Parts: sequence; structure tokens; C-alpha cells
Amino acid sequence: AQSVTQLGSHVSVSEGALVLLRCNYSSSVPPYLFWYVQYPNQGLQLLLKYTSAATLVKGINGFEAEFKKSETSFHLTKPSAHMSDAAEYFCAVSALGTGNQFYFGTGTSLTVIP
Amino acid sequence: DTGVSQDPRHKITKRGQNVTFRCDPISEHNRLYWYRQTLGQGPEFLTYFQNEAQLEKSRLLSDRFSAERPKGSFSTLEIQRTEQGDSAMYLCASSSDRLADPQHFGDGTRLSIL
Repeated sequence: AQSVTQLGSHVSVSEGALVLLRCNYSSSVPPYLFWYVQYPNQGLQLLLKYTSAATLVKGINGFEAEFKKSETSFHLTKPSAHMSDAAEYFCAVSALGTGNQFYFGTGTSLTVIP
Repeated sequence: DTGVSQDPRHKITKRGQNVTFRCDPISEHNRLYWYRQTLGQGPEFLTYFQNEAQLEKSRLLSDRFSAERPKGSFSTLEIQRTEQGDSAMYLCASSSDRLADPQHFGDGTRLSIL
């Protein structure tokens, strides 16, 4: 079975500061990992994905994430926060043999302080 | 690529009424997924289709929930005898059947039960 834990339901950073959103996964088989962003009253937009290639994955809008098997983590980072980054962020896991069924974390709400 | 389209965007109905939502996936995607999202939570998987076949439906919330994809293109999600607890955002997503392909989400249908 697969699951995801997102530590910190709310994160606040100052504009220009580092963004770090945490995601730990549990999977009995090699996982595929995803980060999505959701703006109010909208669906989820893919930021980036890990599918067993490079462990450091670059996504859209300057975000990146590093897969660390030893720590079962897939934390999302951005060097410099922008006001437009304020949104809800979701980590998701799927795996071979699950029919591409995604398991989402409970989300982290990012606030950017001017 | 016109994206995943959901209709209606908002639905307000009285308790006990039946509601039906429609999802039009990205045209070349043969997999279609339904999720429910409540406030402060991540999307919760309900069911998915590969073409017209419903391959997983055990996680539909009750027998009041049903989904169809009759011709392998658009899908409908029906909730019969709605209850207050059904108030939520209902999200549709689609993907190809390529390994680890990300799911692409629509903007959802927000259901409010009076």
C-alpha cells in the first residue's frame, strides 16, 4: 500500500525567502512521486514528478524536489518565494500495479509575506 | 490539448435530491478518475475507468454514488438522495495508461447541499 505524509499543514515564508515543503512517503514497491499546486476554486496543477530517473527533479515556476530513498522523502523547494506562490500544495504517490491510482497527502498551505 | 473540463462548476441542491456531474477528459487519455475533496484535505480517490471499463469502484463512498463512462470518452458521476455530508468539491482527472504518467485535473464541481 502507498501513503503520503505532509508535515506542516501551514507554512509561512517571507517574499524572497527559501520555500521548503515536506513530504514523506510509504510504499512497498518503488514509488512514483508528484507535487501538485492548487489555487482557490481550481483543480490541481502538476509542478513536477519523480519516476525513477534523476533523483533531483526540476519543475515549473522554479520549484524542484529531491527523492531520498533512505529518508523516504520527496521535499519540495524553491530558492526564492514569490507572492504568486501562495497556494495549497499536495504531494502524491503512486506505484506500479496500482492502475496509476494516486494517494494524496493532506496538503500544505503556503503563505508568502510581503 | 484543451484540458479536462467539468460541468457544472457549482451545484446547489436540497438534501434528498439526485445530482449528476459531467467530466470531459483530455481527448487522447484513456484513463479517467473521480476524486472528492473536502475543505482542508487532499483529494480522496473514488473510482477510475480505463476506456469504458470501471476498474476500481470499491472506494465509492456508498451505494448512493455511481459513475459511468459509456463510450470511453466523457464520464458522469451521480449521487442519489444527497446528504449534508456530500457537500464537497468533486474533481475529475485523466491520464494515459503509460507508466507513471501524471494525472491532469479539471477545475472541479463544487456541491453544496442545503
